[in-house]
Parts: sequence; structure tokens; C-alpha cells
Amino acid sequence: EDKVVQSPLSLVVHEGDTVTLNCSYEVTNFRSLLWYKQEKKAPTFLFMLTSSGIEKKSGRLSSILDKKELFSILNITATQTGDSAVYLCAVEAPPTGTASKLTFGTGTRLQVTL
Amino acid sequence: GAVVSQHPSRVICKSGTSVKIECRSLDFQATTMFWYRQFPKQSLMLMATSNEGSKATYEQGVEKDKFLINHASLTLSTLTVTSAHPEDSSFYICSASRLAGATGFFGPGTRLTVL
Repeated sequence: EDKVVQSPLSLVVHEGDTVTLNCSYEVTNFRSLLWYKQEKKAPTFLFMLTSSGIEKKSGRLSSILDKKELFSILNITATQTGDSAVYLCAVEAPPTGTASKLTFGTGTRLQVTL
Repeated sequence: GAVVSQHPSRVICKSGTSVKIECRSLDFQATTMFWYRQFPKQSLMLMATSNEGSKATYEQGVEKDKFLINHASLTLSTLTVTSAHPEDSSFYICSASRLAGATGFFGPGTRLTVL
């Protein structure tokens, strides 16, 4: 059974801090790893990673994948209160002969305080 | 970017009633739609995958007779929770994809409360 594990489960930091969120996975037929931010409603897409070692950046957020060690990290620098959310990691790993699907981790709940 | 809508956004119903949730891709044709369920403080769990014009594929443990999925067109999929019970109360989210891949666009979700 495919597994995606995120750590820590929750985190409280002060505005301006840098945080690193972790995602490890154990799946068959890995295709891609995705990061999402979920506030009150449905998740919003952040990054999709398919290759090891290539950092993706978007503003203060960046992410990298290590396919040998089967994990990814999401970094947020100079955190702001608007970064408070649940960050979800998902792995796309289509079972052989079937349509692709995502397996989600339980998420990391980040709270940024003033 | 692509837009996916869900209707209704929130529904409260009595135990035993059926509830239909619609998922629409507004500006693209969705070959595949995915239905997820998210209980409070838990992650998204895939319930089923539906391709236009064919029967949905359900994940293990999801009752296909209870959660009826219809993907009648390339822009609309519906999830009907039949004979809903309080334990079905959850956040239901759809995702629509242009291609066969799962990296689609999420709808805003539907919060179902069964009394």
C-alpha cells in the first residue's frame, strides 16, 4: 500500500522565521510529488516535483525532491501570518494499468504568530 | 488558471436522505475527475476516479452503492451520497484533470453535515 508521511504534524513559529516541512514516501510506480497549501477550503497547488535535486522556487517558498532517499522538503523563508495553513504533500503513483491517482499525507499544520 | 466549481458549497440534511454534489470544470474539458473525502483534521482520501462515459473506479473500502458517481459529460461529474448518515458528514472535494494524470485542479469543496 502506498504511504506518504509528513512531519512535523504541527508547528508554531514567529513571523520572520524560516520553516522546513518534510515529506517521505513509500510508493510503487512513482511519477511525481506535489505540495499543496490548504486554508479553509480546498487545497491550492504549490509545486510539482518529478526530478531529484532540482529546486523549485516561488517567492519565499521552495521545494526539492530526493528520489533516492524518497523524500521532499518544503521551505518557507521569512514566514508571514498569511502562511498559516495546512501544507499537504501528495504523491502521484499510478497503479499499473489504471488511471493515475494521488496519495496524500496527513499534512503539517503551520501557525505563524506575530 | 483552470476553474473547477462545486455545488452546493455546504449542505445540511437529515439522516436517511440522499445528497447530490456537482463538480464542474468551467473552462476546460475534464477527461478524469477524482472525488476525495476529508474528515476534520485529517488528510484527503481518494474515494473514486471517474472517466467520462465509463463507470467510476472506487478505492478499497468505499461502497459504490452508497456513493454513486456519474460522469456524464466532459465538464460535469456528480457524487450522490445515498441514505446519508451522520458518519458521512465530511468535506467532499473533487479534482478535474484534462489528461489521464491525477494532477488536476481542485474544486472548492462541499461540506456535508448529516443530522
